[in-house]
Amino acid sequence: EVQLVQSGAEVKKPGESLKISCKGSGYSFSNYWIAWVRQMPGKGLEWMGIIYPGDSDTRYSPSFQGQVIISADKSISTAYLQWNSLKASDTAMYYCARSSKLDYWGQGTLVTVSS
Amino acid sequence: EIVMTQSPATLSVSPGERATLSCRASQSLSSNLAWYQQKPGQAPNLLIYDASTRATGVPARFSGSGSGTEFTLTISSLQSEDFAVYYCQQYNNWPRTFGQGTKVEIK
Repeated sequence: EVQLVQSGAEVKKPGESLKISCKGSGYSFSNYWIAWVRQMPGKGLEWMGIIYPGDSDTRYSPSFQGQVIISADKSISTAYLQWNSLKASDTAMYYCARSSKLDYWGQGTLVTVSS
Repeated sequence: EIVMTQSPATLSVSPGERATLSCRASQSLSSNLAWYQQKPGQAPNLLIYDASTRATGVPARFSGSGSGTEFTLTISSLQSEDFAVYYCQQYNNWPRTFGQGTKVEIK
C-alpha cells in the first residue's frame, strides 16, 4: 500500500527555521516525483515545487523559488520542505503528494508562524 | 505560467442531480489535466487524471472530458458525500498549476 506520512504540526516564531518531512512507503521512492502543495487557511491549493528523489532534479514555482528549499534523501525514502526564515504569511497546511498527477497525498503538516 | 480558471466558484445542486464543473487553461495542455476532491479537514484526493481516466476506486458517477484548453468534470447524480471542493491541476508545463476550486454545495 502506497503511503506518504508527514511530520507533525509545528508552531514557530517569525525568523525561525523549519524543515518538515514526508516519508514514502509501499513503492519505489526513487522513481516517483514528490510535490509540495500549500493551502493557506480557507484558501485553495498552490503548487510549490517538486523533486525527483532518484537524481534530486528539483523544480519550483516562481512564487516559491528562493522562499523554500525542497530536498530528498532516497536512502530513507523521505522528502523535505525547508524554510530558513519563516514569516507569519507561511502559516498554512502543507501537503506532499506523489508524482505529477498527485495520485497519493500525505495527511498534511500544519505550520503556524506567530510571535 | 499556465493559468487555470475554474467555473463556477460555487455550484448549488440538489442530491441526485447532475453537476458540471469547468476548467479552462490559458494554453493547450493536451490531456495532461487532473481533478481532485477535497472535503473539509482532509487532504485532496485524486479523482481523474489524463483528463478522463478515473483513479482507482473512484465511482463511475464521476467522469472527465476535454482536451486542449477546455475541460469538464461531471458528477452524474450527486450523493451526499460528493459535496466538497473540486480542483483541477495541469501537469503539462512547469510550474504545475491549480485552478482556484469549485465548491459544490447542497441546494
